[in-house]
Order: sequence, then C-alpha cells, then structure tokens
Amino acid sequence: KNQVEQSPQSLIILEGKNCTLQCNYTVSPFSNLRWYKQDTGRGPVSLTIMTFSENTKSNGRYTATLDADTKQSSLHITASQLSDSASYICVVPYDYKLSFGAGTTVTVRA
Amino acid sequence: NAGVTQTPKFQVLKTGQSMTLQCAQDMNHNSMYWYRQDPGMGLRLIYYSASEGTTDKGEVPNGYNVSRLNKREFSLRLESAAPSQTSVYFCASSDNRGQRETQYFGPGTRLLVL
Repeated sequence: KNQVEQSPQSLIILEGKNCTLQCNYTVSPFSNLRWYKQDTGRGPVSLTIMTFSENTKSNGRYTATLDADTKQSSLHITASQLSDSASYICVVPYDYKLSFGAGTTVTVRA
Repeated sequence: NAGVTQTPKFQVLKTGQSMTLQCAQDMNHNSMYWYRQDPGMGLRLIYYSASEGTTDKGEVPNGYNVSRLNKREFSLRLESAAPSQTSVYFCASSDNRGQRETQYFGPGTRLLVL
C-alpha cells in the first residue's frame, strides 16, 4: 500500500532554535517528494519538490533531505521564527495522484 | 490573481440536507481536485478532473458528486449530508496531472453536519 508516515505528530520549540521533521514513505515507483506548509485555517502551500536524484534542497530556512534508498526524507527548520508555527505535510505522488502524510504540527514559542 | 477560491468558508448542515461547495481558479489550470482533511489523517482525494468535461473518482467518493462547470470552476455536491462528512474540504488545481506539477490549494471550507 502506498503510504506516507510522519513523525513526530507535533513538537514545540523556542524561537531561534532548530528542528527536524521526519517522513517515511512506501510509495512505489518513486518519482518525487514534496513538503507542504499549512498555516492554521489555510490551505497547504508547497515548500519544496525533490526528485529521485536530489539529496538536499533548500528554500530559505527550510532544508529538505531525501534518501531514496531508505525511503526517508527530513525537513530541517533553521533559526525558527514565530511564523514557522504550522503543520508540515510530506507528500508523495503515485498513479497521478498524491499520497499525503498526516503532518507534523510545529509550535514556535517566544 | 486570486489563485484558488472557495465558497462558503464555513457551513453548518443538518443530517439529510444538501449543499454545493464552489471552487474557482484563475490560473488557467487544466486539472482540479477536491480533498477532505480530517484530524490525524492526511488529505484524501474525493474527486478530480483532469480537464474540462472529465471527472474521476478518488479515494473517498461515496456520498459526493462533482461538476466541472468550465475550465475555471469545479463544484462538489453533498446530496444528503451525514455527520461522517463533517470535515474541512480543500479544492486544488494544477497545470497537468503529471507527477511533477505543483498543486495549488484554496483556503478550505469547514463543514459541520449535525
């Protein structure tokens, strides 16, 4: 079954600190992996798209890594800001559809 | 350029009532999608439309119908609402159905069925 699992379910960090979110997937065949950010009460917004050949991709303070051999990805947030408080969703396409993880809710506190 | 818009933003229904959720995009995208998001679960695809005039079932189509009115608009209809349909509904659009395209999401419609 094509699945995307994320951990942790939620985390709280202090402003200025770093954090790392994990994503494991079983989707096959694999073509790319996306990370979306969803602010409370809003729709998801794309952060990064990583293809099979990309190990690391950055978007400002967000850095995504991909290990296609172990089918794992991580999203690292550097020097967190209050505006980083959101749900981060890992997404992997299959059969021209998307398989969504349940998301990790990040709360950044001052 | 508003992107993807959805109406209404919030709705309360009684069991058995019907309603239509509206979605429109101004990005000239071919493909449009309807998802539902429930607590602790990933977004699940209800229906999608690869192009104007075509619609296909997703993972959870039971209890829903859709209409691709034109290239811009894609509506979702609940004919007889049930409490299990309480959820947040998101419409999305993309340029193609290819695996590398980005989907753009609307702000969501929060539906409560009593």
